[in-house]
Amino acid sequence: NAGVTQTPKFQVLKTGQSMTLQCAQDMNHNSMYWYRQDPGMGLRLIYYSASEGTTDKGEVPNGYNVSRLNKREFSLRLESAAPSQTSVYFCASSYKQGWPSYEQYFGPGTRLTVT
Amino acid sequence: SQELEQSPQSLIVQEGKNLTINCTSSKTLYGLYWYKQKYGEGLIFLMMLQKGGEEKSHEKITAKLDEKKQQSSLHITASQPSHAGIYLCGADSGNTPLVFGKGTRLSVIA
Repeated sequence: NAGVTQTPKFQVLKTGQSMTLQCAQDMNHNSMYWYRQDPGMGLRLIYYSASEGTTDKGEVPNGYNVSRLNKREFSLRLESAAPSQTSVYFCASSYKQGWPSYEQYFGPGTRLTVT
Repeated sequence: SQELEQSPQSLIVQEGKNLTINCTSSKTLYGLYWYKQKYGEGLIFLMMLQKGGEEKSHEKITAKLDEKKQQSSLHITASQPSHAGIYLCGADSGNTPLVFGKGTRLSVIA
């Protein structure tokens, strides 16, 4: 099993450009998540999908959109990139969202720089 | 919303020494998760604690959740260079996704 995979691993964008970060999991998990990690800020939730067909905003959703393409795939789109979106982006998945809870499994991350 | 405070923010210990990292919540915890992140990599799940007073161990790492379920500690015995990295605690409030602390950066020197 590959677990959670993310593409690309690195990306440099110019301000105003758009791009989509891809995430896939092969663990048959129901819930998927997108986080960003910034120095001194820890991990912050951008969007999540509790189950196929649903998406919800997290703590920092502005400037992002998501698509739960199917049970395996959850993509994050930046429509018009801004320097403030320079960060490391992590995708995660878990068996399900809610109580009783299950641990989240994380992908290796995408390092995004917006110039 | 739930907030998690981790202390210390960073820690430098000599190889072979013991250390403790704390995670304190502003609300009662339903579940407390510990993750380790190696520099430049993703997060690796270590342990999950759900019951007040619960304690779990994995190799030389022990995590405890206090009786009131508002504080957890992570203790490493006889630290090794392989323990170096960032340790993050994550909290489950019942219906919302995990909220994470800002992390503790651990360096182990020879």
